[in-house]
Amino acid sequence: SQTIHQWPATLVQPVGSPLSLECTVEGTSNPNLYWYRQAAGRGLQLLFYSVGIGQISSEVPQNLSASRPQDRQFILSSKKLLLSDSGFYLCAWSSAPSLYGYTFGSGTRLTVV
Amino acid sequence: AQSVTQLGSHVSVSEGALVLLRCNYSSSVPPYLFWYVQYPNQGLQLLLKYTTGATLVKGINGFEAEFKKSETSFHLTKPSAHMSDAAEYFCAVMKAAGNKLTFGGGTRVLVKP
Repeated sequence: SQTIHQWPATLVQPVGSPLSLECTVEGTSNPNLYWYRQAAGRGLQLLFYSVGIGQISSEVPQNLSASRPQDRQFILSSKKLLLSDSGFYLCAWSSAPSLYGYTFGSGTRLTVV
Repeated sequence: AQSVTQLGSHVSVSEGALVLLRCNYSSSVPPYLFWYVQYPNQGLQLLLKYTTGATLVKGINGFEAEFKKSETSFHLTKPSAHMSDAAEYFCAVMKAAGNKLTFGGGTRVLVKP
């Protein structure tokens, strides 16, 4: 069966520090991968998605970047965090999005102080 | 462009009462529709989806939703609320053969004993 792992679960980082959040999927190959952010009062915002290794689409301009160095690995990064980067970050995958929707990871709560 | 509107950011129901969460969408083509549930500090879990075929779809935990094309709606219902239904619920839309979900703003459900 397929599983998705996301870590860390919680993170407190100072303003200006770097960020790396990792997401991996097991039990499938060539999945679509997604990064979403939930911030208070702003719902679920799609940040990046990837349909293959090295293929990243950015949905909104921001202080973040994403990479997909391996088929089932998706990394969210920042060189210098801002207070506004605080939120709940969710990774998701799908093999056939329009048929099955997404399967989400358990999320990372990021607090920038 | 697609959009999703969930009427009511907060809904309060008594245990045993009907749960009704409203979702309306805007799409230039018939979309695929999804409902997700999120418990505190967790990822989203798929409740049910409509792609094609029967317009009344049944999901997990006793929930069901009906796709009404003429009303561009996909309301979620459960005949009898349980305390464990307290969570946030998200409606989402995707174009057929698409790969990106667009989420509504979410509705938080409180169940009173």
